[in-house]
Amino acid sequence: AQTVTQSQPEMSVQEAETVTLSCTYDTSESDYYLFWYKQPPSRQMILVIRQEAYKQQNATENRFSVNFQKAAKSFSLKISDSQLGDAAMYFCAYLYTGANSKLTFGKGITLSVRP
Amino acid sequence: DTEVTQTPKHLVMGMTNKKSLKCEQHMGHRAMYWYKQKAKKPPELMFVYSYEKLSINESVPSRFSPECPNSSLLNLHLHALQPEDSALYLCASSQEGQGRGTQYFGPGTRLTVL
Repeated sequence: AQTVTQSQPEMSVQEAETVTLSCTYDTSESDYYLFWYKQPPSRQMILVIRQEAYKQQNATENRFSVNFQKAAKSFSLKISDSQLGDAAMYFCAYLYTGANSKLTFGKGITLSVRP
Repeated sequence: DTEVTQTPKHLVMGMTNKKSLKCEQHMGHRAMYWYKQKAKKPPELMFVYSYEKLSINESVPSRFSPECPNSSLLNLHLHALQPEDSALYLCASSQEGQGRGTQYFGPGTRLTVL
């Protein structure tokens, strides 16, 4: 079974600084997606970034980028120039591309941003 | 446009009430999902509809009854709930059939069972 591990329950970053959120996963599959979702206190789950396992290039969305290490099964999220609005719970998630697969979430990490 | 809408935003109900949650998407997505989320926990999958057919039921108690009237609409009918069913109920959709592609979430319905 696939598992996703986010070992740090909380992190804090100074506004305008850079922070990296860690995620590791375990799978025997070779074709899958990895995601980072953000859930602010308003509770809307928002997609931050997506990575296809077959792509070697790390995904980037504005201030958000990932470090995808397929062999190490590691998928970290880097947030540059942190803003107060980045404060939220962040979930790492895995999805196998085969039929009947289910999105597997990590436990999440709460990120606070200090002004 | 990746919008999934859910109504109501908040719902308070007694254990003997019957109520329904509604989810809608107009993106032409073929799979729709119900999740239950407790505070500071990841979402837990409840049901999946793929091409309007129920494809996954994660052993959810029968007091929760899903319905997919058409490809854009997903309902969750609630009856005789327990206080431990109080949670945020999230709906999601994905473009392809179940399990394939990115899931986009709605804002959720916060349910309180008294």
